[in-house]
Amino acid sequence: DAGVTQSPTHLIKTRGQHVTLRCSPISGHKSVSWYQQVLGQGPQFIFQYYEKEERGRGNFPDRFSARQFPNYSSELNVNALLLGDSALYLCASSLAPYNEQFFGPGTRLTVL
Amino acid sequence: AQSVTQLGSHVSVSEGALVLLRCNYSSSVPPYLFWYVQYPNQGLQLLLKYTTGATLVKGINGFEAEFKKSETSFHLTKPSAHMSDAAEYFCAVRAGGFKTIFGAGTRLFVKA
Repeated sequence: DAGVTQSPTHLIKTRGQHVTLRCSPISGHKSVSWYQQVLGQGPQFIFQYYEKEERGRGNFPDRFSARQFPNYSSELNVNALLLGDSALYLCASSLAPYNEQFFGPGTRLTVL
Repeated sequence: AQSVTQLGSHVSVSEGALVLLRCNYSSSVPPYLFWYVQYPNQGLQLLLKYTTGATLVKGINGFEAEFKKSETSFHLTKPSAHMSDAAEYFCAVRAGGFKTIFGAGTRLFVKA
């Protein structure tokens, strides 16, 4: 069975641009969480979605938004990119919000 | 609020030696505790987790951790290090909600 997949693998953007990252959960998983991992730090929680509704949000500015589609895949959008947004963005899926999370390989975003 | 402190950003051991990675947490409610491993350019893989019950938890690849409430600790151990154990290890806590809080990580080096 396929694990969590994320696209693209790598992305280079310039300041002020917008970016969309995509995540496909494991088949049957209805919950998707997004994390930001800055180099040298642990992942920080951004959002959790379950059954297409936002169930949790971390301490990130409104430039960050996300949504979950009927097939349970998810997109993370970041507007007005800053240099500090450069990070590995991880997606994790689980059957439901309190179940074990399975992580994807991440999308490496570089903002120049 | 919950928090996680991993003592030592880098730990170096010889192959065959004991691995001890330290983690202390802060939580106002009974926590769920996790250890994840991250290999270069990959996502996070769950090593083990503590939810309730037995305080000594066994995980994959010979790792185990002991939940000590009185010390608010959840240290990760492995009796004999292998070269393939070289990676970044993250301790995480989840308490009373969906949000998982990660420590800053400990990079394990294994010397031949």
